[in-house]
Amino acid sequence: EAGVTQFPSHSVIEKGQTVTLRCDPISGHDNLYWYRRVMGKEIKFLLHFVKESKQDESGMPNNRFLAERTGGTYSTLKVQPAELEDSGVYFCASSLPTGGPNEQFFGPGTRLTVL
Amino acid sequence: GNSVTQMEGPVTLSEEAFLTINCTYTATGYPSLFWYVQYPGEGLQLLLKATKADDKGSNKGFEATYRKETTSFHLEKGSVQVSDSAVYFCALRKGYQKVTFGIGTKLQVIP
Repeated sequence: EAGVTQFPSHSVIEKGQTVTLRCDPISGHDNLYWYRRVMGKEIKFLLHFVKESKQDESGMPNNRFLAERTGGTYSTLKVQPAELEDSGVYFCASSLPTGGPNEQFFGPGTRLTVL
Repeated sequence: GNSVTQMEGPVTLSEEAFLTINCTYTATGYPSLFWYVQYPGEGLQLLLKATKADDKGSNKGFEATYRKETTSFHLEKGSVQVSDSAVYFCALRKGYQKVTFGIGTKLQVIP
């Protein structure tokens, strides 16, 4: 079975540009999470989807970040306009619906560099 | 809120040395505790976990015991290999909530 996949693996953009990251969760996983690790710091939670609904978006840093999960399948995270401090590795994770095993499976991450 | 504190690296060890990476946590109730590993060029992988006090998680020669009295979950391995070189993250989670991570400890094992 395929794991969580993320695209692209790397993205280099200039300040002020727009970038969209994509995450494909494991099939059947209703829960989808986005996390971010800024260089040398903790991996921090951004938001949590249950199917297509945002369950918790308390970690989203500001309104330049927009996450969507249309149809409850894949998710996108758009940063517009990007700033230097947005550089880091963005991880996506998914897990089974509530009531099942609660392990979160992580994708390989997207490394974003804003110049 | 919840938090995880782990020793900052980098940690450099010779092959076959003993490894300890300290981890303590702050949380209400009884969270589940995890160690994740990120090998160079790869994503996060779950290394081991423990879901209740005194549980010991183990995998690939690594072990960690859930100590409620000291709020700790230290990672240990008796004999490290070059292939263990990676970044190790201690983490906790309550129920289906978000995972709270520590800062990550980079381990380098030299032949």
